Parts: sequence; C-alpha cells; structure tokens
Amino acid sequence: GAVVSQHPSRVICKSGTSVKIECRSLDFQATTMFWYRQFPKQSLMLMATSNEGSKATYEQGVEKDKFLINHASLTLSTLTVTSAHPEDSSFYICSGHSGNTIYFGEGSWLTVV
Amino acid sequence: DQQVKQNSPSLSVQEGRISILNCDYTNSMFDYFLWYKKYPAEGPTFLISISSIKDKNEDGRFTVFLNKSAKHLSLHIVPSQPGDSAVYFCAASTGYSGYALNFGKGTSLLVTP
Repeated sequence: GAVVSQHPSRVICKSGTSVKIECRSLDFQATTMFWYRQFPKQSLMLMATSNEGSKATYEQGVEKDKFLINHASLTLSTLTVTSAHPEDSSFYICSGHSGNTIYFGEGSWLTVV
Repeated sequence: DQQVKQNSPSLSVQEGRISILNCDYTNSMFDYFLWYKKYPAEGPTFLISISSIKDKNEDGRFTVFLNKSAKHLSLHIVPSQPGDSAVYFCAASTGYSGYALNFGKGTSLLVTP
C-alpha cells in the first residue's frame, strides 16, 4: 500500500536554531499533505494544509512565520520549525491521501533544548 | 475548541470481552469518521471508518456504530486481545476539509489477560 515517510524520526536541536522535517509520499503523488502536532497525552492537532505549488493554509493559532511549510513537488512536503523554543518540543506527523485513503507518516519527535 | 471528544481517557477490559470506545462530536458538518490506533512516538494506524450515510460498519473484530442524531459514534472490539492495548483516536472530517482530520484526545485501552 501507499507509504508516507518522515525524516528524521527523532531530532534534538538547540534553542534558537531551525530544524526541517521532511514528509515524502513514496508511491503516490500528493497534491495536498497535512501537518499535525501532538503534545504528550494530547490530541493530534492539525497545524496546516500543505498545497503543492502554492502557499500552505494554516490553522488558527499556528504561526506561519515560525512553521514554514514548503510543498515544492508532488511527493515532498517539508516543515521547518524556525527559531525553535523548548515549547516547540512535540511530535509532528504528516499525512497524505491516495484516492480515498489517508496515510500517515511515522512521525518526527522534536526536542528543543 | 474540541470538536471531537473522547471523554474516557482510559479503559481496561479483560481479554476475550468486548471493548467499547466512545466518541462524541459537535460539528454537524462532519460526514466521515475514522478510528485510529496509536502507540507513543509512532504515526496512527488506521482501523476502520464510516461515512455519515451509514450507521454501522464492520471489519473483522472491529465494528463502528454511528448515531448521527446523537452525534455519537463508538468502536466495538470483540473479542479483545492483549495486542489491542494502545491509544485509540476518533477522528472526523467534512467534505469541505477533504482529508484534514479533527482528532479526539484518545482513549487508552488496556486489555488484560
């Protein structure tokens, strides 16, 4: 079946630096991908909708200048957390859909120290 | 504003018995509902879904029931197995949002031998 791959699975970065998370659809083309964030023991919260070739659509309360999303090709969306702070430490997950089926990546655990 | 609610944070069931996980929603525009199983630091695993035009969908040991008038759905697992122990998330979407999902906070299921 279709697979969505995220990289890195775990990353530790220093406060104030930027970190990029990649989300790839391995065997399907994704014109739209979605980025979620999950804090410990909390729900997965939709952050933004990533649209190939155009600007991402951000959910209310999500800073677009802090969470930069680029969807330059039909198989790759990237989320860059800029000027990371410890409160950005979270589990980030992307998803894409092929036909009517939604596929999730494995997730990326970000720790900002 | 949590539009999908899972009011039971945890549930413990004996092996072989039925597990019933509940989910309520507030947005009457939701027309597609999904259940996911998730382990910490991993992406969600799709279990079963139901469209708003149905009131029941069954797949093996998993059955989802939808009561639109009550804005309530439930996931039944029978018989429950120790390997079912995980956090279960209810999710919903609207035709407008496409494949962007609204998640509940999850219910942690423990199936004891």
